[in-house]
Amino acid sequence: AQSVTQPDIHITVSEGASLELRCNYSYGATPYLFWYVQSPGQGLQLLLKYFSGDTLVQGIKGFEAEFKRSQSSFNLRKPSVHWSDAAEYFCAVGASGGSYIPTFGRGTSLIVHP
Amino acid sequence: EAQVTQNPRYLITVTGKKLTVTCSQNMNHEYMSWYRQDPGLGLRQIYYSMNVEVTDKGDVPEGYKVSRKEKRNFPLILESPSPNQTSLYFCASSKTLKETQYFGPGTRLLVL
Repeated sequence: AQSVTQPDIHITVSEGASLELRCNYSYGATPYLFWYVQSPGQGLQLLLKYFSGDTLVQGIKGFEAEFKRSQSSFNLRKPSVHWSDAAEYFCAVGASGGSYIPTFGRGTSLIVHP
Repeated sequence: EAQVTQNPRYLITVTGKKLTVTCSQNMNHEYMSWYRQDPGLGLRQIYYSMNVEVTDKGDVPEGYKVSRKEKRNFPLILESPSPNQTSLYFCASSKTLKETQYFGPGTRLLVL
């Protein structure tokens, strides 16, 4: 069975600082990987996704993520955080082998200090 | 505007009183799903549908029912709600599983 671990429940950064949110997955084959953002009181919005090809994926709002098969990781990065990036971030894995049940991590709450 | 709508947005009910949360999408998507979000647990899939009249259980289907009689609609039914179903519910749709999932705004349910 697939699983996703987001080891950090909360991350606090200063505005303008760089950001890295960690995501580790467990899946036997090549997974589909996603990062979503949820602003307070809102639904989820897709930031980026990885299915195959280039392991460095660019997303919206200046985010990027790198798929590292050897580390089973798909960490999300942003070089300079803005106050509006404060939100909940979810990593998700979807099975490429036919199962249609995507698994979400528990989320990382990003707090941005001015 | 492409969107997923859910109604109601907020609902307070009592144990055992049947309720339905509606979900509708205007993007002609084939894949639709329901999630519940609970603190510390992230999102867990309740049911999903790959097309009209095709539904299947997700990770936490107990106490829920769904139907997919039309492509655009995917209602979530709680026949006899219990307090442990108090949660934030999201409907989502996508063209296929590989495509971007579009989420509705959420329905916050409180079962007393």
